[in-house]
Parts: sequence; C-alpha cells; structure tokens
Amino acid sequence: GQQLNQSPQSMFIQEGEDVSMNCTSSSIFNTWLWYKQDPGEGPVLLIALYKAGELTSNGRLTAQFGITRKDSFLNISASIPSDVGIYFCAGQIPQGAQKLVFGQGTRLTINP
Amino acid sequence: DVKVTQSSRYLVKRTGEKVFLECVQDMDHENMFWYRQDPGLGLRLIYFSYDVKMKEKGDIPEGYSVSREKKERFSLILESASTNQTSMYLCASMVLAKNIQYFGAGTRLSVL
Repeated sequence: GQQLNQSPQSMFIQEGEDVSMNCTSSSIFNTWLWYKQDPGEGPVLLIALYKAGELTSNGRLTAQFGITRKDSFLNISASIPSDVGIYFCAGQIPQGAQKLVFGQGTRLTINP
Repeated sequence: DVKVTQSSRYLVKRTGEKVFLECVQDMDHENMFWYRQDPGLGLRLIYFSYDVKMKEKGDIPEGYSVSREKKERFSLILESASTNQTSMYLCASMVLAKNIQYFGAGTRLSVL
C-alpha cells in the first residue's frame, strides 16, 4: 500500500530543544493528521489540517499543511520529557476510499 | 470524547489457536479499521468496514478475517494463529466528516 515518507526516523535531543519533523508524498492529500503514540499505547490525535497553507497550533506543537498539498511538518517547541514517543503523520488522498495513509513514524528520545 | 475500546491489552496464544480480537466504539461511526504495527514497518491496514456486515481487504489480509455484526463492534479473527502474527494490533474508528481516525489502546499479541 501507499505510504508517506516521514523524516527523520529517529531523533535524540536535549530537553528544552525545539523539534521539527516532516512528511512528504508523491500524491496530493486533502487532509493531514499528526498523531503521537506513547509506548504500549495507541496513537492519539494531536493536530488535524484541512487546507493548503493552513498553520495550526496545539500548545507547544505547530503543524502546517504544505502549499503543494504533498507535504506537512510538525514542530515541537521547548521539548519536555513527556514529549517522548513516536510521532506519525497521516493523510487522506482525495480518492482514498475513506482510508488514511500513514508515515513510518519519528521516534523522539529526550535526554534530560 | 470518542472512545475506542479493545477487549485485551495483552494476549498470549499457541500456534494453531483461533484468536478473536474485539473492538468497540461508542460514537456510532460507520467506518472501523484493524491495523497491525511492527517495528520499522509502521501501521499496516489489515481490513476495514464501512457498515454493518460490510468489509474490505486492506494491504495485508492474508491469515485474517473480520466480523461486523453490529455497528459498534468490529472483530478481527486469526483462524489459525502463527508465530509471524505476533504483533501489536490497533483498532480505529473514523469520523467521516473530519477524516479523523481514533485509535484504541492496542492489543499486544504473542503467538508461541
């Protein structure tokens, strides 16, 4: 099945640093979603984006729907220990039959 | 809040056993999904359902079947469990109007 290219695959940062990750696709998407998964849990929705160029924040998290509709990024500012986990992007293509396409995930590790 | 409940968090089964994984959602959603998640492979869609008694194969349906007799419940069945089906299984329910999937906490299945 189709997948999104998500990068980086993993990040090791110091507490307090800012984080940036992104997803790209060869297809146009009409929705971009960002999820976070804590160890041993299911993914939890962080941010949903619906329009090209849309920039949305959720606390220290900011995500943008790329102008080309083929990419999206997620930024985390001033990271804290509870930000540790795996972050997934997901998107829906216009002809996607109500399914989502997922990125491979970015594993974030924070050194205190 | 949307609630997606998976009946078991951890399961240990023997090779050849028939295994049932249950998922219940409380928001009257039409679409429900089963994924498996393995390190380095991301989320892979096994089956999804868009209405009672309706189902469609995802990307990796081999060795699995599903049942949707009631709108709120979507079951994943492993007819004869094999060791390569050891994985984390995630159920999701979809808000069609927002293209958002909400996930359960996951079932970690070990087949010995």
